[in-house]
Amino acid sequence: EAGVVQSPRYKIIEKKQPVAFWCNPISGHNTLYWYLQNLGQGPELLIRYENEEAVDDSQLPKDRFSAERLKGVDSTLKIQPAELGDSAVYLCASSLGGDRDVFFGQGTRLTVV
Amino acid sequence: QKEVEQDPGPLSVPEGAIVSLNCTYSNSAFQYFMWYRQYSRKGPELLMYTYSSGNKEDGRFTAQVDKSSKYISLFIRDSQPSDSATYLCAMSALGGQNFVFGPGTRLSVLP
Repeated sequence: EAGVVQSPRYKIIEKKQPVAFWCNPISGHNTLYWYLQNLGQGPELLIRYENEEAVDDSQLPKDRFSAERLKGVDSTLKIQPAELGDSAVYLCASSLGGDRDVFFGQGTRLTVV
Repeated sequence: QKEVEQDPGPLSVPEGAIVSLNCTYSNSAFQYFMWYRQYSRKGPELLMYTYSSGNKEDGRFTAQVDKSSKYISLFIRDSQPSDSATYLCAMSALGGQNFVFGPGTRLSVLP
């Protein structure tokens, strides 16, 4: 069974440019998460979806970040415009629901120069 | 004070050693406790989860929760070089969905 798939794995962009990340969760998983992980830190939640609905986006910087999950499956996370401080690993995760058995993708490592 | 604190490491041990990894937390509402392992340039993978206080064993791994002290531990017996990774604790309140992660402890097991 395929795990959580993210693309691209790596992205280097200049500041002020837009960037988008894509996530395909494990088949059948209704809950999808986007996390941000800075170097030497644990992941921090950006947004959580239950099917198509964003049920917790309180930590998403809405002035520059946006996310969508069309049809309750794949999801995209966008940053526009990117800032130097956005350099980090963006992790997507999915689960059947509840607090257990959350599976993470390999992440997208973003470098803003 | 951060909500979840974790021994910063890095921690280096010889192969075969018993490893103890620890986290403390401040939110008494936390009920679910999890340990994740993260290899370099990979996403975290769930190792173990426990609910409320007590011990849980899975092979060479034992997770321990002491809610009265707001302290959780992960023990690794007979540590192997393949255990070299960053270990993240995570926790959430009962019925809640949002995990709070510790900053992680980097472990190196030397052959």
